[in-house]
Amino acid sequence: DIQMTQSPSSLSAFVGDRVTITCRASQGISSSLAWFQQKPGKAPKCLIYAASRLQSGVPSKFSGSGSGTDFTLTINSLQPEDIATYYCQQYKSYPLTFGGGTKVEIK
Amino acid sequence: EVQVVESGGGLVQPGGSLRLSCAASGFTLSDHYMDWVRQAPGKGLEWVGRTRNKANSYTTEYAASVKGRFTISRDDSKKSLYLQMNSLKTEDTAVYYCVRVAADYYFDYWGQGTLVTVSS
Repeated sequence: DIQMTQSPSSLSAFVGDRVTITCRASQGISSSLAWFQQKPGKAPKCLIYAASRLQSGVPSKFSGSGSGTDFTLTINSLQPEDIATYYCQQYKSYPLTFGGGTKVEIK
Repeated sequence: EVQVVESGGGLVQPGGSLRLSCAASGFTLSDHYMDWVRQAPGKGLEWVGRTRNKANSYTTEYAASVKGRFTISRDDSKKSLYLQMNSLKTEDTAVYYCVRVAADYYFDYWGQGTLVTVSS
């Protein structure tokens, strides 16, 4: 199985800050990586797919990069509505696997 | 508008069975792979399984934790997806999400989820 390791597991930042979350795959997954945002009590929502492609309707403040084993999600100008848990997920091979999540809070 | 809506969750005893349903609308179900993903209370996301589309003969894949106990099926004529869960364990307690898979194989639409509680 491909293990997905996210860091940090939680972070606290000021409104307006740039936030970066990293995700590492235990083996190469090319660009078969997606990022999801999950707000409390809600279903996850796709932000980024194919490592760097913005899902339709998602603000351009979200961006993704990386390929192979190392990936990043960047949130520009953090706002209160961005408070959520963020997950990476590989869809290169079965079983499909998720990172453990990064909880983002406002300082 | 694309929508997937789960139903059928509830309380079941260990060893029991439950069938979840997912109603799809706003797209042609037969064109898409469909997955189930679950989330235990306060925990992360866990992929459960997949049914491929008509062009790929509706074949299935499962996570090791549910293989042999859970079965995914679909009825495209009824625009519905199903998850039959047998021999349920307390560790199967979770919110179960029905998820559409985009042509590029990522999860593009999620349902709101249905809670399954396995407890005596």
